[in-house]
Amino acid sequence: EDQVTQSPEALRLQEGESSSLNCSYTVSGLRGLFWYRQDPGKGPEFLFTLYSAGEEKEKERLKATLTKKESFLHITAPKPEDSATYLCAVQTPGYALNFGKGTSLLVTP
Amino acid sequence: EAQVTQNPRYLITVTGKKLTVTCSQNMNHEYMSWYRQDPGLGLRQIYYSMNVEVTDKGDVPEGYKVSRKEKRNFPLILESPSPNQTSLYFCASSLSRLDTQYFGPGTRLTVL
Repeated sequence: EDQVTQSPEALRLQEGESSSLNCSYTVSGLRGLFWYRQDPGKGPEFLFTLYSAGEEKEKERLKATLTKKESFLHITAPKPEDSATYLCAVQTPGYALNFGKGTSLLVTP
Repeated sequence: EAQVTQNPRYLITVTGKKLTVTCSQNMNHEYMSWYRQDPGLGLRQIYYSMNVEVTDKGDVPEGYKVSRKEKRNFPLILESPSPNQTSLYFCASSLSRLDTQYFGPGTRLTVL
């Protein structure tokens, strides 16, 4: 069965304290891996798509990387406005999008 | 502005009273999808549509119906809602099934 596991479930950082969120997957024949940001009570907001191992993408303080078994979302010098839940989703060979349960990030001043 | 809209945003209803949640997109996307989000379970797909008149079941379709009569609209129908359908619902759309999905703002449904 296709699985997507995100860790940690929750993460608390001080402003400026860099860290990484993990998304591990067991999908064979990965078609794409997506990262979304979700603020409370709102819809997921697209961040990145990664398609092949070794690929990296950056946007402001965020950098996403992909290996054959996992993806990392690196957050460099986070600010309080980066506080949100970060969702990882993998697209299976059947094109379904399987979501992880998310990492809830809190960045304190 | 390119967007996915949902209505209503909040709905409280009673068991068995039929309801429809509307979803509309203005991006000429072919692929549309409905998800529900529950604490501890994450986002799960209910139904999807690859184009007009083409719909298929996702992971949790029981108790739901959909239709796709126009490209821009993809309503979710609960013919006899039950309390276990209390959830946060999201509509999403993408250019095709291969592409990035963009999500609407969500509909919080409570069934008493």
